[in-house]
Amino acid sequence: DIQMTQSPTTLSASVGDRVTITCRASQSISYWLAWYQQKPGKAPKLLIYKASTLESGVPSRFSGSGSGTEYTLTISSLQPDDFATYYCQQYYSYSKTFGQGTKVEIK
Amino acid sequence: QVQLVQSGAEVKKPGASVRVSCKASGFTLSSYGISWVRQAPGQGLEWMGWISASANNTYYAEDLQDRVTMTTDTSTSTAYMELRGLRSGDTAVYYCARDGVAVAGYFDYWGQGTLVTVSS
Repeated sequence: DIQMTQSPTTLSASVGDRVTITCRASQSISYWLAWYQQKPGKAPKLLIYKASTLESGVPSRFSGSGSGTEYTLTISSLQPDDFATYYCQQYYSYSKTFGQGTKVEIK
Repeated sequence: QVQLVQSGAEVKKPGASVRVSCKASGFTLSSYGISWVRQAPGQGLEWMGWISASANNTYYAEDLQDRVTMTTDTSTSTAYMELRGLRSGDTAVYYCARDGVAVAGYFDYWGQGTLVTVSS
């Protein structure tokens, strides 16, 4: 299976901060990467697919980039609603895998 | 609007089986796939497998393939996931999610989750 490693595991930030989360794949996944946001007790929500395509209805402060094995999710100006856990997921291989998650906490 | 509505919470004894349902509305199930993802308490997301609703093609995670079966009933727009030989490590919230018609895809809509508790 392709291993996905996110960093950091936890991130403390303030409202208005620029936040970057990194996801590294154990082999090239050729842009086949999605990002999700999950809040406690709720199902994950799709934010970005194909590494950089914003899902409809997702605020433009979220953006994704990367290629090959390294990808990033950036929140340009953190809002109160953005405190949550974020997961990357590769769909290059039939056996899909998630990163371990990054929890964005209030500083 | 697209919705996936799952069946209610279950409590099972070790060794038993559980079947979780996922009723789709707002889209044609046979034009998509459904993946199942689980999340143990306080843990991350684990993909379990995928089913193509139109052809009943399946692809399961290697460590679950001996115990899991995914099916769909297009007449009722419902997907099912059965897990056998339950053990305490299977205690988790189980989600269905809309996936692509091909096996490699991402998940644009999710069910609300079904808590399965395995306890003697």
